[in-house]
Amino acid sequence: EDQVTQSPEALRLQEGESSSLNCSYTVSGLRGLFWYRQDPGKGPEFLFTLYSAGEEKEKERLKATLTKKESFLHITAPKPEDSATYLCAVQAYNFNKFYFGSGTKLNVKP
Amino acid sequence: NAGVTQTPKFRVLKTGQSMTLLCAQDMNHEYMYWYRQDPGMGLRLIHYSVGEGTTAKGEVPDGYNVSRLKKQNFLLGLESAAPSQTSVYFCASSYSMPGQGTYEQYFGPGTRLTVT
Repeated sequence: EDQVTQSPEALRLQEGESSSLNCSYTVSGLRGLFWYRQDPGKGPEFLFTLYSAGEEKEKERLKATLTKKESFLHITAPKPEDSATYLCAVQAYNFNKFYFGSGTKLNVKP
Repeated sequence: NAGVTQTPKFRVLKTGQSMTLLCAQDMNHEYMYWYRQDPGMGLRLIHYSVGEGTTAKGEVPDGYNVSRLKKQNFLLGLESAAPSQTSVYFCASSYSMPGQGTYEQYFGPGTRLTVT
């Protein structure tokens, strides 16, 4: 069964304290892995797509990496404005469907 | 471009009432999706459409119906609302390329529905 698990559920960081969020997945043939950011009361906002193991993508303080079983979202020297819920989703080859994890709620304190 | 828009933003229904949620996108995307988001459960796919006039069931389709009469619009209907359908509903769209699948989804702002 296709499944996506994100950890931790919540993460508190001090401004400037780097860390990583984890997304582990089980899917029958990965077409793509997606990272989104969601602010309270808003829809998810697309961040990255990763297609194959070893691939990396960067955007400002965020870097996403992918292995055959998991993806990491590395946050370097975070700022309070990075506080949000980060969602991971996978798409399998067989279906036109996306499977989402339940997210990691990040709180960055000044 | 407005991207993906949803109407209404908020709605309160009584058990047994019906309503339709409207999603519109101006990006000429082929694929459209309806999700519900509940605390601790992430986004769950209700129904989706791979093109005008086509729809398919997702993970949690019971109690919902959809229609895609125009490429830019995707409607979600609740025929007889139940308290279990209290949730935040998100619409999304994505483009695709033949043989390469779909790409990232773009989400609307959501509709917060409460069924009492």
